[in-house]
Amino acid sequence: DAGVTQSPTHLIKTRGQQVTLRCSPKSGHDTVSWYQQALGQGPQFIFQYYEEEERQRGNFPDRFSGHQFPNYSSELNVNALLLGDSALYLCASSLFDVGGQPQHFGDGTRLSIL
Amino acid sequence: RKEVEQDPGPFNVPEGATVAFNCTYSNSASQSFFWYRQDCRKEPKLLMSVYSSGNEDGRFTAQLNRASQYISLLIRDSKLSDSATYLCVVLQAGTALIFGKGTTLSVSS
Repeated sequence: DAGVTQSPTHLIKTRGQQVTLRCSPKSGHDTVSWYQQALGQGPQFIFQYYEEEERQRGNFPDRFSGHQFPNYSSELNVNALLLGDSALYLCASSLFDVGGQPQHFGDGTRLSIL
Repeated sequence: RKEVEQDPGPFNVPEGATVAFNCTYSNSASQSFFWYRQDCRKEPKLLMSVYSSGNEDGRFTAQLNRASQYISLLIRDSKLSDSATYLCVVLQAGTALIFGKGTTLSVSS
């Protein structure tokens, strides 16, 4: 039973570039949430997708956008990258009908901005 | 004021010690509460949910005081393998998890 998988594992970009991160949820899950974890901080909620729509959003600018596909996988896009976007990006999946808990996390994508 | 605040840490304890972590949350409408564990450079993993009546899972005991908006985690008989960062997590509206900054525990032999 595959857990949450994220790609790529690591990524290096420069300021102003755009990046796309990918997530496949745990088998049987239909909801995907994205979190940003800066060094020394706890994860911060970016947004959540269910039925291919953004259902909830945290305090992140419009540069952060996402998408969910019919197979429940998801992408996180970040435009006009800033140095402060350097972080571990975590994807979590869950089942909507049971209240979305517990959430299962992937290993994350470590994004470095030069 | 941060939504979820935890003890600053780090906590350095010998094997066999009992250690307690505290956490406070600001939103009285918070619905559910959890402790997650995160090993260095790894993903967070659910350690246990926290209920008002208090709950125990082996050496781990979690308590919730809704009136004080306070959550605690007690680890008894610490093991080397307990070394990790412990994240206090609150569920508010919807299903977005709000994480504390985390408290680092280091257990030494």
